[in-house]
Amino acid sequence: DTEVTQTPKHLVMGMTNKKSLKCEQHMGHRAMYWYKQKAKKPPELMFVYSYEKLSINESVPSRFSPECPNSSLLNLHLHALQPEDSALYLCASSQQIANEQFFGPGTRLTVL
Amino acid sequence: AQSVTQLGSHVSVSEGALVLLRCNYSSSVPPYLFWYVQYPNQGLQLLLKYTSAATLVKGINDFEAEFKKSETSFHLTKPSAHMSDAAEYFCAVSDRGTYKYIFGTGTRLKVLA
Repeated sequence: DTEVTQTPKHLVMGMTNKKSLKCEQHMGHRAMYWYKQKAKKPPELMFVYSYEKLSINESVPSRFSPECPNSSLLNLHLHALQPEDSALYLCASSQQIANEQFFGPGTRLTVL
Repeated sequence: AQSVTQLGSHVSVSEGALVLLRCNYSSSVPPYLFWYVQYPNQGLQLLLKYTSAATLVKGINDFEAEFKKSETSFHLTKPSAHMSDAAEYFCAVSDRGTYKYIFGTGTRLKVLA
């Protein structure tokens, strides 16, 4: 299995809702990432997990809460989001430091 | 700090023509370099990577890139454009020792029939 899967594909939520994004990989990669991508922009790094521990938090607001339950799974918990948080959320994984990252198809999030 | 510059936010080529997408990086040591392609509403797909082995790197779908240290460049080429190549292309540099990618701002490739 050489792919990263993400669910759901699309998500619409209100500002008071709580929702979660899920990412899964079965390539044995030990680093996993969350990115946020706005239209016509490159992806922006949000979080990095290495060996299931949070390694990098790019000063992301606390309304985004990552979780890595095991080496194959990465979640992003969402609460009290703002309309400007609407974006494509991409998950990626890599085997080792600085190796190529493999991206999932993304979750298109709309916050009303 | 490392940075990546992609010259030309939009590039148009005719079908069958040469594709050239430019990428320059700034780094004190040769970094790892990557080219990704993104189709609308999809994730990023790796085209090719440079990790200090061969300077001419071949990727998928007949894309290739040449690492030129003297010019700090890693331009992407394809001999003959196909309609299906129309997409957004991102160059990225990865700092050795961290997990961080630094992405260029992207180049949208349009292929004209």
